[in-house]
Amino acid sequence: EIVLTQSPATLSLSPGERATLSCRTSQSVGSQLTWYQHKPGQAPRLLIYDASNRAAGIPARFSGSGSGTDFTLTISSLEPEDFAVYYCQQRYNWPIPFGGGTKVEIK
Amino acid sequence: QVQLVQSGAEVKKPGASVKVSCKASGYTFTSYSIHWVRQAPGQRLEWMGWINAGNGNTKYSQKFQDRVTITGDSSASTGYMELSRLTSEDTAIYYCAREAPGGRREDYWGQGTLVTVSS
Repeated sequence: EIVLTQSPATLSLSPGERATLSCRTSQSVGSQLTWYQHKPGQAPRLLIYDASNRAAGIPARFSGSGSGTDFTLTISSLEPEDFAVYYCQQRYNWPIPFGGGTKVEIK
Repeated sequence: QVQLVQSGAEVKKPGASVKVSCKASGYTFTSYSIHWVRQAPGQRLEWMGWINAGNGNTKYSQKFQDRVTITGDSSASTGYMELSRLTSEDTAIYYCAREAPGGRREDYWGQGTLVTVSS
């Protein structure tokens, strides 16, 4: 099973700052990596698929990059509603586990 | 509009089974796959399994392989996830999610179902 490691575990930032989240996979997944945002009491929200494609309705401040084993989710300027937990998930082969998550919290 | 509406919260005793439903609307049920994901308190999202709603093919996480059964009823446009031999570690919110056209991501999610396992 492919293992996904996200870093950092927690990111403390202020609104307006740039957030850079990392996801590393234990073996190459090509570009088949997905990012979700998850807030307490809500269902996860699809942000990015195929490493760099924004899902419908996702603001342009969210961007994804990377391929192979190293991936990055960037939020260019944090809005108050962006403080949440972010998960990556590989979609290269079965099973399709999630990473441990990065919590983006208000500094 | 696409909606996935899950069944309500459940309280179960250790050793029991639970069956969570996920009713789909706004699209052709058999044209898309459904995934099941859970989140235990303080834990990461955990992928449990998948069903191709068109042909009934399934795949499961090895962790749940011997305890979970995912099914679909096309006549009711509803998916189901049944988990047996429950323990307190199965206390979690369980989500269903539709796999998007083209695959590799889930675009619509149910609201979640809280399952509490307690004696």
